[in-house]
Amino acid sequence: QKEVEQDPGPLSVPEGAIVSLNCTYSNSAFQYFMWYRQYSRKGPELLMYTYSSGNKEDGRFTAQVDKSSKYISLFIRDSQPSDSATYLCAMKQAGSYQLTFGKGTKLSVIP
Amino acid sequence: SAVISQKPSRDICQRGTSLTIQCQVDSQVTMMFWYRQQPGQSLTLIATANQGSEATYESGFVIDKFPISRPNLTFSTLTVSNMSPEDSSIYLCSVEGTGSYNEQFFGPGTRLTVL
Repeated sequence: QKEVEQDPGPLSVPEGAIVSLNCTYSNSAFQYFMWYRQYSRKGPELLMYTYSSGNKEDGRFTAQVDKSSKYISLFIRDSQPSDSATYLCAMKQAGSYQLTFGKGTKLSVIP
Repeated sequence: SAVISQKPSRDICQRGTSLTIQCQVDSQVTMMFWYRQQPGQSLTLIATANQGSEATYESGFVIDKFPISRPNLTFSTLTVSNMSPEDSSIYLCSVEGTGSYNEQFFGPGTRLTVL
């Protein structure tokens, strides 16, 4: 079992839809959770960073962490064509710099 | 967040040759990282480069294949040596930010194709 599992998609939604992206993990030592957005032929861009279980909101984006279930989600409200990208979840242990990534989910938002 | 640039942005190389990738940051940073992103695979950490010390390599990566230099606090290079088609990948450098959670920020990547 891989440490971080993420459905690679592709996921295609109409403009304005709510998007739900998810990752599960097996290592209970992970304490910090991140979502990166990667446009084609670009480097990953940090979107959200969370530590505790619960929700964190930033504009149209909400990151959700459920440590008891080892499950994290990223919700995108009112999705736009400019949200079309690959979304990577990443996580790390306390006191460590090493990030463990999911494989990424490719999202297309259709106008 | 720091502004990170990489050179070259892409290259096509012949088997058996070597390529050196440069990473430049617009501010001084302690820790720099090199990652590999193979098609359909997760980003994988190759090594951590701190200025003034030898790079620390992750399991499966060795210095002879991926020598790294870190001459100052704003610059690092990664060399991919004696390349084979299996080395075709995107190579990314990242730096640790100064925020509370030491977030990592990534450069634009170098897309390498080995024929």
